[in-house]
Amino acid sequence: DIQMTQSPSSLSASVGDRVTITCRASQDIRHYLAWYQQRPGKVPKLLIYAASTLQSGVPSRFSGSVSGTDFTLTISSLQPEDVATYYCQKYNAIPLAFGGGTKVEI
Amino acid sequence: EVQLVESGGGLVQPGRSLRLSCATSGFTFDDHAMHWVRQGSGKGLEWVAGISWNSDSPVYADSVKGRFTISRDNAKMSLFLQLDSLRTEDTALYYCARDRSAWYDAFDIWGQGTMVTVSS
Repeated sequence: DIQMTQSPSSLSASVGDRVTITCRASQDIRHYLAWYQQRPGKVPKLLIYAASTLQSGVPSRFSGSVSGTDFTLTISSLQPEDVATYYCQKYNAIPLAFGGGTKVEI
Repeated sequence: EVQLVESGGGLVQPGRSLRLSCATSGFTFDDHAMHWVRQGSGKGLEWVAGISWNSDSPVYADSVKGRFTISRDNAKMSLFLQLDSLRTEDTALYYCARDRSAWYDAFDIWGQGTMVTVSS
């Protein structure tokens, strides 16, 4: 099975900072990657699909990119409401695996 | 308004069974594949099972294959998960999630979850 390695596992940044989270696939998954946000005590929310397409209603400070098998979620200017755990997920083939998560704090 | 509402969770002994349901509304159910995802307390997300719009070739995580069965009733706009031979490690909050497409894509709508506790 293809493994999804997410890094870092946690980070602390200041309001207004640029934050970058990486997800590396052990094999080529093309653009079949999504990013989710899970605020504390809340349900996961889809942010980005197809590696870089912003889900409707998601603020434009969130963006996704890909280079080979390395996928990146960027928050251009961190806001207090962005405190959450972020997960990547591959969906090119079964199993539809999630990364281990990145906890973002302020 | 699109809604997914899970039910059927509870406390069950190891080796026993449970059936989870997910009632949906507000969208064309048979336009979408559906999934179950679980999350242990303080843990990450784990995809459990998925089913395409027409119930063709349901798919499972290795950790539940042969023990769990996913199904759907398009007429009733409902998704189900039969959990058999439960183990303590199956204890988790189980989410129902809608796929963006009829086959397998990202999950754009999630329910609030139903808690399954496996303990003697």
